[in-house]
Amino acid sequence: GAGVSQSPSNKVTEKGKDVELRCDPISGHTALYWYRQSLGQGLEFLIYFQGNSAPDKSGLPSDRFSAERTGGSVSTLTIQRTQQEDSAVYLCASSLSGGGYEQYFGPGTRLTVT
Amino acid sequence: GIQVEQSPPDLILQEGANSTLRCNFSDSVNNLQWFHQNPWGQLINLFYIPSGTKQNGRLSATTVATERYSLLYISSSQTTDSGVYFCAVEGSSNTGKLIFGQGTTLQVKP
Repeated sequence: GAGVSQSPSNKVTEKGKDVELRCDPISGHTALYWYRQSLGQGLEFLIYFQGNSAPDKSGLPSDRFSAERTGGSVSTLTIQRTQQEDSAVYLCASSLSGGGYEQYFGPGTRLTVT
Repeated sequence: GIQVEQSPPDLILQEGANSTLRCNFSDSVNNLQWFHQNPWGQLINLFYIPSGTKQNGRLSATTVATERYSLLYISSSQTTDSGVYFCAVEGSSNTGKLIFGQGTTLQVKP
C-alpha cells in the first residue's frame, strides 16, 4: 500500500511569510508525528497526534508553530512569520497507534527561508 | 529526558567488509528503531527491535534492553549501504515520541 506522503517536497519562502506543510499518513494509522531535521540540531520531535487530538506538543519550538489534524487523517503544520532558523527538512511519520508501535516516515518537505 | 548516543560517528569501509554500529540509551524504552537515511533524505526502516535479535539479509540487530544498548551489524558491505544510520528510541512514558541519536555516517568504498 501507499506510504506516508508529504507536500510540497520543497518550499522556498521569504522571511516573515506563513507556510503550510501537509502530511498524508498511511491509511488506517491513528498516530501521526511531525519531526524536524536541521544541520545543527539533528532529528527532533515536534508534535504527536492520536486521532485528531495532540497529547504531546512539547517539541514545538515557539508559538509561531501550530498543527492540526482533521478526520483522523491528513495533518497540516503551519509556521507563521517564518524566520531563517526555521529552514530545515520537516518529516512526518505515522504508526498504527500511539506508543510502542513502529513509525514510518514520509520523504519530507525541505523548507528554505530566505 | 532519555539520552541516545551512537558510535562511531563516522565509518569508512572497503566493499565486502563487516561492521558493527552501536546505540546506547539512558533509560528503559518501549520502542527502538534503526533507520538508514539514503542520499535523498528518506528514512528507511531497518528494524523495529525494542528487545531481542532480528535478521534481514546482510543486516542484523540485537537489543539488550536490560543493559540499554542496541547493535546493528552490516555484513559484506556494499556501496549502496552508504549513508547515515540512525537509532531512535521511545521512552517508557508511551507518548510515541522518538528520540534520535546523532547518527553514524557510513561510507563504503568500491
